[in-house]
Amino acid sequence: GAVVSQHPSRVICKSGTSVKIECRSLDFQATTMFWYRQFPKQSLMLMATSNEGSKATYEQGVEKDKFLINHASLTLSTLTVTSAHPEDSSFYICSVIEQGKNQPQHFGDGTRLSIL
Amino acid sequence: GEDVEQSLFLSVREGDSSVINCTYTDSSSTYLYWYKQEPGAGLQLLTYIFSNMDMKQDQRLTVLLNKKDKHLSLRIADTQTGDSAIYFCAEKKYGQNFVFGPGTRLSVLP
Repeated sequence: GAVVSQHPSRVICKSGTSVKIECRSLDFQATTMFWYRQFPKQSLMLMATSNEGSKATYEQGVEKDKFLINHASLTLSTLTVTSAHPEDSSFYICSVIEQGKNQPQHFGDGTRLSIL
Repeated sequence: GEDVEQSLFLSVREGDSSVINCTYTDSSSTYLYWYKQEPGAGLQLLTYIFSNMDMKQDQRLTVLLNKKDKHLSLRIADTQTGDSAIYFCAEKKYGQNFVFGPGTRLSVLP
């Protein structure tokens, strides 16, 4: 069965809306979760590393005020795309690593975000 | 169903070649990828191959694809200690999600 639940799987909304994406670890506690983004016809790009109980670590070029990450518990991390615009339309995917381990990394099914 | 398998561990000596293997089940995959994950970091794309290709070479990296056997391999020539990491293979069909393998931990011994 699924190890990681990512919700919603698809979002279509108007420009200016804020969108929250959830990533849940179903089978174990995850100290670290990763958020990735994939532009059309391109591969995954790491956006940020989400650490339980502390601030997320953002990759260069990723606006932390635009992409708010909250890792409030050992089984849930959320990514909020604030005031989304059409250029934010993309595929967002999270992954989790079990607490105390470095592999395997389990991936969510992704969220396709479309901003009109 | 979709399933990507890899061995979980591989150890090689510095200077030797490393070969990381991957098998997948979905013959309609359009792209196959290799990602590298260093300790405490997220995935980094190493290389990818389109499903109509047999081989792709990029500096020390060589990717071989056997579509008949649904087998993908990544060869790292002259392996260095900095290559120690976890390597993920992934398959993807157009318009659908990535399916990743569990990752192979490569340990490079001095």
